[in-house]
Amino acid sequence: SQQGEEDPQALSIQEGENATMNCSYKTSINNLQWYRQNSGRGLVHLILIRSNEREKHSGRLRVTLDTSKKSSSLLITASRAADTASYFCVCGMGGSNYKLTFGKGTLLTVNP
Amino acid sequence: DTGVSQNPRHKITKRGQNVTFRCDPISEHNRLYWYRQTLGQGPEFLTYFQNEAQLEKSRLLSDRFSAERPKGSFSTLEIQRTEQGDSAMYLCASSPGWAANNYNEQFFGPGTRLTVL
Repeated sequence: SQQGEEDPQALSIQEGENATMNCSYKTSINNLQWYRQNSGRGLVHLILIRSNEREKHSGRLRVTLDTSKKSSSLLITASRAADTASYFCVCGMGGSNYKLTFGKGTLLTVNP
Repeated sequence: DTGVSQNPRHKITKRGQNVTFRCDPISEHNRLYWYRQTLGQGPEFLTYFQNEAQLEKSRLLSDRFSAERPKGSFSTLEIQRTEQGDSAMYLCASSPGWAANNYNEQFFGPGTRLTVL
């Protein structure tokens, strides 16, 4: 996998607001995954979007992928304090995606 | 709980000592991975097993580091002659032996936090 770059590095919002974080990458991908890491549940896979998909939803999460711009965004709607975490994007190149390459992530803080 | 487990959760050691960590993957998963994470960074890949075979080692894994998965189930990561720079969170992950649709969701354990004094 190649390293994605998350932006912004840190984001602070109030509970109930929406949070958007972005990921950019350099070369063509087969898929893109988002992971979340917090002290409570550790590092957890959230959602995967394939290169032939443009948008995907899972509960309060919405992921978009623009392969022409080599970028993805993760939107969390109606945020909760429990969403406070670091969010990482991981780009899959296809073939044996056995190695995940993480960037520095976006640190999201949701204030009650 | 049938997730990935790691022991110990915390380890404090003095520089120069050897330490060993254990990872128990999800039972039906053939693939097992070790990552290291330092403060403010994402996890960095260290090594990967397919069953008992160690198929890749990162350049980050110096000769002081050794990992085993003797029976294709649990794995151990040993660090010899620890240095202060080894202080980090060591994460283990596992995944099924097949990669459906060419992607690889990995299931992570809680990690072992190592502090070298």
